[in-house]
Amino acid sequence: DVQLLESGGGLVQTGESLRLSCAASGFTFSTYAMSWVRQAPGKGLEWVSVISGSGGSAYYADSVKGRFIISRDNSDNTLHLQMNSLSPEDTAIYYCAKDRVSSSSSDSWGQGTLVTVSS
Amino acid sequence: SYVLTQPPSVSVAPGQTATIPCGGDNIRSKRVHWYQQRPGQAPVLVIYDNDRPSGIPERFSGSNSGSTATLTISRVEAGDEADYYCQVWDSGSNHRVFGAGTKVTVL
Repeated sequence: DVQLLESGGGLVQTGESLRLSCAASGFTFSTYAMSWVRQAPGKGLEWVSVISGSGGSAYYADSVKGRFIISRDNSDNTLHLQMNSLSPEDTAIYYCAKDRVSSSSSDSWGQGTLVTVSS
Repeated sequence: SYVLTQPPSVSVAPGQTATIPCGGDNIRSKRVHWYQQRPGQAPVLVIYDNDRPSGIPERFSGSNSGSTATLTISRVEAGDEADYYCQVWDSGSNHRVFGAGTKVTVL
């Protein structure tokens, strides 16, 4: 079974940084693109970033471009999201998701990690 | 940027059919995916490009024509009560786009 376990969330102040991780198991990690999607309290889903299976290409939502960096370590099946210059608008549950091959859809999701940015 | 439009809510009686529209410019040219999210849980993919992942009941189906994609839930059950999101990939901006979500209430 596919398992995705996020970690690294917490409470930080405006302007600070945080690094999220997602430990993957149950599938050949390097074969699949991986995404981060967030959900602010009481709001809808917002795509954050995606990275290809090799790690050679990545894309970002306009709201995080230049502040967040997605990366992956295929040797230990881990996805990361480095978040810099955080603001209260970044407060959300952050989900790690495995993408389907040749599709922009995500067929497996972690349970999420909560990031709270205080002003 | 590309925008997907969904109604905030849809109500349906048990055993009836729920239809959830998702509008977007020339959406028929795009591959549309749908997610179900129950309260306090992570999203679940229920339709990808008008097809069903394994384990998703046949009651869930998707279609896409004109300017609207549609998620149809037949023979609605109480357990189908959830938020439903449509999603596409916008190749013009290289962005994944979600609709705002539709809350399905089973009466």
